[in-house]
Amino acid sequence: EIVMTQSPATLSVSPGERATLSCRASQSVRSNLAWYQQKPGQAPRLLIYGASTRATGIPARFSGSGSGTEFTLTISSLQSEDFAVYYCQQYNNWPPITFGQGTRLEIK
Amino acid sequence: QLQLQESGPGLVKPSETLSLNCTVSGGSSSSSSYYWGWIRQPPGKGLEWIGSIYYDGSTYYNPSLRSRVTISVDTSKNQFSLRLYSVTAADTAVYHCARQTYGNYHNWFDPWGQGTLVTVSS
Repeated sequence: EIVMTQSPATLSVSPGERATLSCRASQSVRSNLAWYQQKPGQAPRLLIYGASTRATGIPARFSGSGSGTEFTLTISSLQSEDFAVYYCQQYNNWPPITFGQGTRLEIK
Repeated sequence: QLQLQESGPGLVKPSETLSLNCTVSGGSSSSSSYYWGWIRQPPGKGLEWIGSIYYDGSTYYNPSLRSRVTISVDTSKNQFSLRLYSVTAADTAVYHCARQTYGNYHNWFDPWGQGTLVTVSS
C-alpha cells in the first residue's frame, strides 16, 4: 500500500498571501495524483488531477506540481473561500486508492 | 450535471450490517467511462477509500475491509450500493459515494455525494 503523507497538518496564512501545501508518497506515483478541497459539512471537491491539471471550473490561483514522490499544491493569493482542508490522493497503484491525512488551511 | 445522493439508515447496531445506496442523477451508472466508488470519513478524520465498482459488476476493494464489504450496482435503478458487515463503533463515519474516472492512470473522484453519517451504536 502506498502511504501518502501531507505537511504541515495545519497551515496559517493571511488572506492575499501564498499558501504552499506538500504531499509525499512512500513510493513513486509518477504524476498520478489528485488534490481535493473540503469545507466543513461539504463533500470534497476535485481541484487538480494528473498532479498539475486543474479540474473544470477551478480558479487559476490553484496550481499543482511535482512527480514521483514529492508534490505541491500552491494557492497564489488566498481568498476567504479557500480556507478549508486539502487532501491528496494517489491512483498510480491501486487497490487500494490512498489519501493523505489532510492539511487544514486556516486564517492567520 | 451529474449528482450523487446517498441514502440509508443513520444508525446501525454493532455486529449488524450497514447498507447504503447511492442514486445517480444527470448521468448513467451503466457508462463504460466510470467506476462508482465509496469513501468514508470518521468524524474529524481523513478519507478512507472503501471500494469501487464498474458497470459490468467488477469490484475493487480496500484490502483492509475486503472481508466485510460488498459493493453492487443496479443499472436499471441507476444506483449502486454498499454493504458493510459486522460493524463496530470504528465504522462510524460519513459515507460518501463518488464517480471515479475509468482508465489507466485516470482514477480520481469527481463529483462526490454530500455524504451520510452512519453511527454504530446500540
